[in-house]
Amino acid sequence: KQEVTQIPAALSVPEGENLVLNCSFTDSAIYNLQWFRQDPGKGLTSLLLIQSSQREQTSGRLNASLDKSSGRSTLYIAASQPGDSATYLCAVMEFQGAQKLVFGQGTRLTINP
Amino acid sequence: GAVVSQHPSWVICKSGTSVKIECRSLDFQATTMFWYRQFPKQSLMLMATSNEGSKATYEQGVEKDKFLINHASLTLSTLTVTSAHPEDSSFYICSAFGGSMDTQYFGPGTRLTVL
Repeated sequence: KQEVTQIPAALSVPEGENLVLNCSFTDSAIYNLQWFRQDPGKGLTSLLLIQSSQREQTSGRLNASLDKSSGRSTLYIAASQPGDSATYLCAVMEFQGAQKLVFGQGTRLTINP
Repeated sequence: GAVVSQHPSWVICKSGTSVKIECRSLDFQATTMFWYRQFPKQSLMLMATSNEGSKATYEQGVEKDKFLINHASLTLSTLTVTSAHPEDSSFYICSAFGGSMDTQYFGPGTRLTVL
């Protein structure tokens, strides 16, 4: 059974720092991996989706990498801002057509001004 | 593109009443929709998978008679919490599979409070 783990569970850093959020999954046979952002009391916003054949994806200050063989992904946030404060979730889709996502428990990120 | 809406965004009801939550894919057709439940400071818990025109598939431990799901069209799924009790109070999120990417698109969530 696929399990997704996110470390750390919570992170607090001063504004301007670069930071890395980690996600690991137990079964490397995935179809894709996605990073989401969730603000308190809100739904999920997709940040980056990486297909299994890809190594990384970038969007603005965000960069997500995928090492399928080792079962790991990282989300790198450059020059963090208070507006980046949110919970970040990673999720894997196990195979094409699976449609289901297996979620990690999330990392609660706080950026202090 | 790929927008999913939920209605209502929040609802307060008395214990014993039923509450219906709607999930709509606004600009794409979704053959499959998912319903999640989320408790404070926890991740999403998948409740059921809903396919258009067929019965929903419920995850283990989810009461199908308590949480009725209907997926009558390619753009609408509904979740009805029957005879709601305070322990049903939670944040319910739906998602729809489809659009241009192989992924789920999430609604904004519905906060249910049962008094």
